[in-house]
Order: sequence, then structure tokens, then C-alpha cells
Amino acid sequence: DTGVSQDPRHKITKRGQNVTFRCDPISEHNRLYWYRQTLGQGPEFLTYFQNEAQLEKSRLLSDRFSAERPKGSFSTLEIQRTEQGDSAMYLCASSRGDRVDYGYTFGSGTRLTVV
Amino acid sequence: DQQVKQNSPSLSVQEGRISILNCDYTNSMFDYFLWYKKYPAEGPTFLISISSIKDKNEDGRFTVFLNKSAKHLSLHIVPSQPGDSAVYFCAALDAGKSTFGDGTTLTVKP
Repeated sequence: DTGVSQDPRHKITKRGQNVTFRCDPISEHNRLYWYRQTLGQGPEFLTYFQNEAQLEKSRLLSDRFSAERPKGSFSTLEIQRTEQGDSAMYLCASSRGDRVDYGYTFGSGTRLTVV
Repeated sequence: DQQVKQNSPSLSVQEGRISILNCDYTNSMFDYFLWYKKYPAEGPTFLISISSIKDKNEDGRFTVFLNKSAKHLSLHIVPSQPGDSAVYFCAALDAGKSTFGDGTTLTVKP
């Protein structure tokens, strides 16, 4: 297993455009998380899935953000009508729900720049 | 309000000495605490965790201490090595998701 993969690594988009990011978790992990990180801050929770069910979505997340995890495998995060404030690193992580003490395995992230 | 705080943005230590990174939290419902290390251009990497029912957990050079009454935890690295230079994040787990602090940048000087 090659770990958690995120695609693309970098994305530059014009304000108002839609973007979609993909995350492929570790296959044995049933939980998948999306976080956002800006410079000088820690990862900020966006949403998470257990298998294909989205269990929680941050109240900080506007309706422009949506995430899916069809069939409990890969996940996509879509941002509609992007704004400059959406510029950040978007991190995906996966974990085993029965071993929270093992922590998360993070991908390398997708860096979004909205111009 | 920030539920997990790392009040020291940076820490510099000499190689071979002890590094102590601190973290405070406010939510008594957190049931696990974790430390991650992050190098530039990579995602965070899990280091060590501790259950809220314990006060110490050790793994090689890394030891995490938990003081529940003070709502404080710390990560000790002994001896520190130049390869330990990175950003360290404290995280606390509740209801299936982790809340992260803003990180402490550790620099270990040869």
C-alpha cells in the first residue's frame, strides 16, 4: 500500500470557478477525513466519513463545499464558486475506526490558489 | 474559541538535549491525545498517542505526559536529533474527529 494519495498536488483557479479534489485512502481504513490548513495554523476539520456515510460536516463549511465517498473507497471534495479565501492546503487523511490510538495517515495535500 | 492550544510557536534546542513541547486543551470530553510531526511539503505524520485514562506513554525517544487536572500535555524527545527538526502538532480526539493546535516549530542544532 502506498499510503494516502491526493490529486492534484497543486491547483490554480480563477475566482468563481469550481474545483474538485480526489483522495485515495489506505484500503484497510474505514474512516476518511478532510482538513484545511492555512499558513501558520493547524489543520482545520472539514468533514469525515465512516465507510460511505458522511458522519459530520464542520459548521464552518459553507454550502459551496461538498464531499462524497461513493462505495466507501476514494473521496472527492468539491468547492463551487471559489473565493480567494478558499486558498489553502486541503489535506485528506484516513484511519482505522477501531484503533484511534494509531492516529491518522495523511496525504501530502492539494494546494489550492484562487486568483 | 480554540480548544487545543500550543502557546510556543517555536523551540530551539541543542542536539543531544531534551526537547519539551507543550499543549493545553479546554474540552474535558477529549478521550485521546496525539502528536504529529510535519516536514515541509508533506502531510503530518503520526508520532505517538495517549489515552485520557493514562498519564504517560513512551515510544523510544518520545514520551507523552498527560495532566488531566491541568488540561495539559507535553511531548518529550530525548535525545534530540537534527532530523527531529519539524513542526509538531498536538491533536485531541472527540466523537471520532481530531482538533489540532497551531503547531510548534522545533529546531535541533548540531
